[in-house]
Amino acid sequence: NAGVTQTPKFRVLKTGQSMTLLCAQDMNHEYMYWYRQDPGMGLRLIHYSVGEGTTAKGEVPDGYNVSRLKKQNFLLGLESAAPSQTSVYFCASRFTGHSSGNTIYFGEGSWLTVV
Amino acid sequence: DAKTTQPTSMDCAEGRAANLPCNHSTISGNEYVYWYRQIHSQGPQYIIHGLKNNETNEMASLIITEDRKSSTLILPHATLRDTAVYYCIVRVAGTGGGNKLTFGTGTQLKVEL
Repeated sequence: NAGVTQTPKFRVLKTGQSMTLLCAQDMNHEYMYWYRQDPGMGLRLIHYSVGEGTTAKGEVPDGYNVSRLKKQNFLLGLESAAPSQTSVYFCASRFTGHSSGNTIYFGEGSWLTVV
Repeated sequence: DAKTTQPTSMDCAEGRAANLPCNHSTISGNEYVYWYRQIHSQGPQYIIHGLKNNETNEMASLIITEDRKSSTLILPHATLRDTAVYYCIVRVAGTGGGNKLTFGTGTQLKVEL
């Protein structure tokens, strides 16, 4: 049981290049999230998904696209990377349902530098 | 989700209890208080949550005031490995809006020898 796995863990991009971050979870969770974290700041939500085939915008969605073609995978895409997108990216997932105890599980992060 | 206010940083001696406060004066009746922590460069980790009763688990205790406007996370015997940023988050439990977590800047707890 690997939990939430992110790939790649480190990447350096040139301005204007494109790339995709992959998040995979093996816990059969319905909800998945992509956050970014800049130095000295809390996490900010980019996009999220409440189920296979559905996505929604979070707090800072501009410059990113996402897809949830399979329940276990949530992809974050940068079509034309900009230096402002240099950040640490965290994926997370959780069960659906009304229980307050359905906690969110986070991956270990992906460090992206855009030069 | 209600806004939370936490001190920027706190220090604690190893082996002593660490008491981390959080103010959430605008909390509504159906909002829970959640605590997460983030050890340097790692993903956030769930600690504990509660509605109005005090809660305890293997990691920590959560004390919520009777008016629910503030709470305290207690690490009973802090160790060096508890050095982390601690986030207090208030949100409604359920499926609405994807149950997103809204993170503030948290409290940097430093546990020292």
